Amino acid sequence: SAVISQKPSRDICQRGTSLTIQCQVDSQVTMMFWYRQQPGQSLTLIATANQGSEATYESGFVIDKFPISRPNLTFSTLTVSNMSPEDSSIYLCSVAGGAHPPDTQYFGPGTRLTVL
Amino acid sequence: GENVEQHPSTLSVQEGDSAVIKCTYSDSASNYFPWYKQELGKRPQLIIDIRSNVGEKKDQRIAVTLNKTAKHFSLHITETQPEDSAVYFCAANNQGGKLIFGQGTELSVKP
Repeated sequence: SAVISQKPSRDICQRGTSLTIQCQVDSQVTMMFWYRQQPGQSLTLIATANQGSEATYESGFVIDKFPISRPNLTFSTLTVSNMSPEDSSIYLCSVAGGAHPPDTQYFGPGTRLTVL
Repeated sequence: GENVEQHPSTLSVQEGDSAVIKCTYSDSASNYFPWYKQELGKRPQLIIDIRSNVGEKKDQRIAVTLNKTAKHFSLHITETQPEDSAVYFCAANNQGGKLIFGQGTELSVKP
């Protein structure tokens, strides 16, 4: 499977600030997704990162709060803006396609965010 | 929209016993059903998947069965070992190609 890295692996931030999370893949992929996983919970899709166009957001998530970039087929960023303690969570990117079936998703290691 | 229900939420078995986790889905157009294992503090790891053109798939001690008519699929782990202890998530794809995840099952294998 693809080798996926995320930076940072964890961070502690003050409320009102923003954090940008990076997701890097070692090979070109078709799809990149961003998920949120709150403690003890399942995975919730935030958005699909589209290369060369605006991301597609799921219900309850908006671009102003979670701006996403995908400049090429191996890299994406998710920004958590104007953070509040409710944003404390694990944020995961996943990838699909490329050398793998288009619907098979592989996950990055996650970014553990704590907002004080 | 698509909904995936997963049961049980917790499961405790003795080492060597079998474990079964069940999921139901609502979208009859779903045709891809992966299972992920997530150990504490780690990423979800794909362990097995099944597509709608087969009814069963096996990989060593794990197997998945699919009943498209009833819209449910199950994960079977035989000869469980302590290292099988983790949270397991089922998922189903929707028409947009995205995955909808179940709520997760925390499996504990007692030595």
